[in-house]
Amino acid sequence: GEDVEQSLFLSVREGDSSVINCTYTDSSSTYLYWYKQEPGAGLQLLTYIFSNMDMKQDQRLTVLLNKKDKHLSLRIADTQTGDSAIYFCAETSYNNNDMRFGAGTRLTVKP
Amino acid sequence: GAVVSQHPSWVICKSGTSVKIECRSLDFQATTMFWYRQFPKQSLMLMATSNEGSKATYEQGVEKDKFLINHASLTLSTLTVTSAHPEDSSFYICSASGGGMNTEAFFGQGTRLTVV
Repeated sequence: GEDVEQSLFLSVREGDSSVINCTYTDSSSTYLYWYKQEPGAGLQLLTYIFSNMDMKQDQRLTVLLNKKDKHLSLRIADTQTGDSAIYFCAETSYNNNDMRFGAGTRLTVKP
Repeated sequence: GAVVSQHPSWVICKSGTSVKIECRSLDFQATTMFWYRQFPKQSLMLMATSNEGSKATYEQGVEKDKFLINHASLTLSTLTVTSAHPEDSSFYICSASGGGMNTEAFFGQGTRLTVV
């Protein structure tokens, strides 16, 4: 089946930028998402990008999409301790409403 | 963005009882709803896909008689965990999609089920 992969852990210092990477295999992906999951909470949609875009910026968040390499990244500027969470990359394709998730990247922000 | 409400947020039940989880799309018609389960330290696992008015399509390895899914209206889908056992304890999440050209899906808040 189609896969979505992410590194499992990332640790940064408060104030630094965080970059979380994701790769996927489905060439028919249309929407690509970043979700945040805080401990004990459900998923929170952070941002998403349509596959015909290569960049989307929303306040401290910047999403970069390299469709040729099937690589998606989420950059968090000025990372804060409140950004500590698990970040999931997900994708869906036009012909299939199903959503495929990566395993999640645990971001730890150190003071 | 669109809102999907999932209820309850958490539930504790005794082994052998059944638990129903509701997933509602509040401001759009959800032609398709997905039910996911999250195992500890793992990503979400798709359990089943339901289209309004049709029987749900279950993923391989998911017992349809144990996880009953009903999608009777365009705004409500339910997942019933029947005869729950401790190994069913997990985090269950629904997502809803309007279908068609709009393939974006919105997630509910999730339900933490603990079977004791």
